[in-house]
Amino acid sequence: DAKTTQPNSMESNEEEPVHLPCNHSTISGTDYIHWYRQLPSQGPEYVIHGLTSNVNNRMASLAIAEDRKSSTLILHRATLRDAAVYYCILRRAGGGADGLTFGKGTHLIIQP
Amino acid sequence: SAVISQKPSRDICQRGTSLTIQCQVDSQVTMMFWYRQQPGQSLTLIATANQGSEATYESGFVIDKFPISRPNLTFSTLTVSNMSPEDSSIYLCSGGFAGAASLTMNTEAFFGQGTRLTVV
Repeated sequence: DAKTTQPNSMESNEEEPVHLPCNHSTISGTDYIHWYRQLPSQGPEYVIHGLTSNVNNRMASLAIAEDRKSSTLILHRATLRDAAVYYCILRRAGGGADGLTFGKGTHLIIQP
Repeated sequence: SAVISQKPSRDICQRGTSLTIQCQVDSQVTMMFWYRQQPGQSLTLIATANQGSEATYESGFVIDKFPISRPNLTFSTLTVSNMSPEDSSIYLCSGGFAGAASLTMNTEAFFGQGTRLTVV
């Protein structure tokens, strides 16, 4: 499976935007970029996913580089509840039948 | 979407015993999976729970240690057998819908809250 690389941790202030980077230089043409987050003492939850174009939903935005070798998850206005581990995961087209391969993720710390 | 419930939420068990974890989904998901999250670590896929047939295990996990059942589309169990302290982890159930991972189709995975197991 293609691998992703994320910073171990990042820190941001409450009510400010947060940009979480992910490198995936060996991504294949059929890999989708998924983001999940795991709040303390909870199971992971889906955040967003995309293929080539930037994507927005109620939780976040996903900016994908033109060469698709990197992407950035954007939280537009972080709150204390956004403190979590964020995982960037590549998932092949039609990969719903496969389990997810989690890397170490980025531990996001939000300062009040 | 799907809501996943796991029981028990936590347990403390004696070494050498077995624990069965139950996973109930509120909709008929196509796929169900079991993960392990060791303390301070990320999630590792244990196996895919197949309806009405033997589970498909990932490298490093075997049926004798982690027997899995899935009698229907909404229920699965994971048993941790002959436990040792090294089995102390959080065990998570996940469900989802197979299909083309397009932007217009629901391909997100749903997770339970996990079962925190401590073996003493």
